[in-house]
Amino acid sequence: QKEVEQNSGPLSVPEGAIASLNCTYSDRVSQSFFWYRQYSGKSPELIMSIYSNGDKEDGRFTAQLNKASQYVSLLIRDSQPSDSATYLCAVNEVTGGGNKLTFGTGTQLKVEL
Amino acid sequence: DGGITQSPKYLFRKEGQNVTLSCEQNLNHDAMYWYRQDPGQGLRLIYYSQIVNDFQKGDIAEGYSVSREKKESFPLTVTSAQKNPTAFYLCASSIDGLAGEGDTQYFGPGTRLTVL
Repeated sequence: QKEVEQNSGPLSVPEGAIASLNCTYSDRVSQSFFWYRQYSGKSPELIMSIYSNGDKEDGRFTAQLNKASQYVSLLIRDSQPSDSATYLCAVNEVTGGGNKLTFGTGTQLKVEL
Repeated sequence: DGGITQSPKYLFRKEGQNVTLSCEQNLNHDAMYWYRQDPGQGLRLIYYSQIVNDFQKGDIAEGYSVSREKKESFPLTVTSAQKNPTAFYLCASSIDGLAGEGDTQYFGPGTRLTVL
């Protein structure tokens, strides 16, 4: 069973600060990495995808991937109260029947006024 | 509008009954997935299908069944054999279930099932 580990939180940051969310994974051959945001009672929505080592920026969000350390992170700059949600890390697993994603249990982020 | 629809939004079932959850997508995606989410938990994969007329068991397939007769539809049946079916059920699709962009999954709004 492949594993994806996240700190469950809650992670509390003041409005305007940088929030840093971390994720480690067990499958060394994983190639695709995703961050989803899930508001309470809603379905997950894609925030970022990253496939190669280094940083990928999209607006206030930056995903960082280090395959050697099996580590992926998400930075949220200028955090807003609307960013308060649970953030799910997902990692692909190659199977004979097509790829599938393994999800972490999520980190709850609270942005305080 | 392109997207994934799930129905119903809320579903109540008596013990011993089978129920079927609907999932439809008009994104022209080949791959579709069913997940279950329990309170405070991550997503657990029930079944997935990369192409029509083919599907694979996920991590928690016992007590569930699926069919994939059409590209746009992937219904999930929760049978009476599922011991603890109360949960939030999420359907997702991806382009082709292959590496890179093809792995990116998009989710429907979910169905909340409660067993009475």
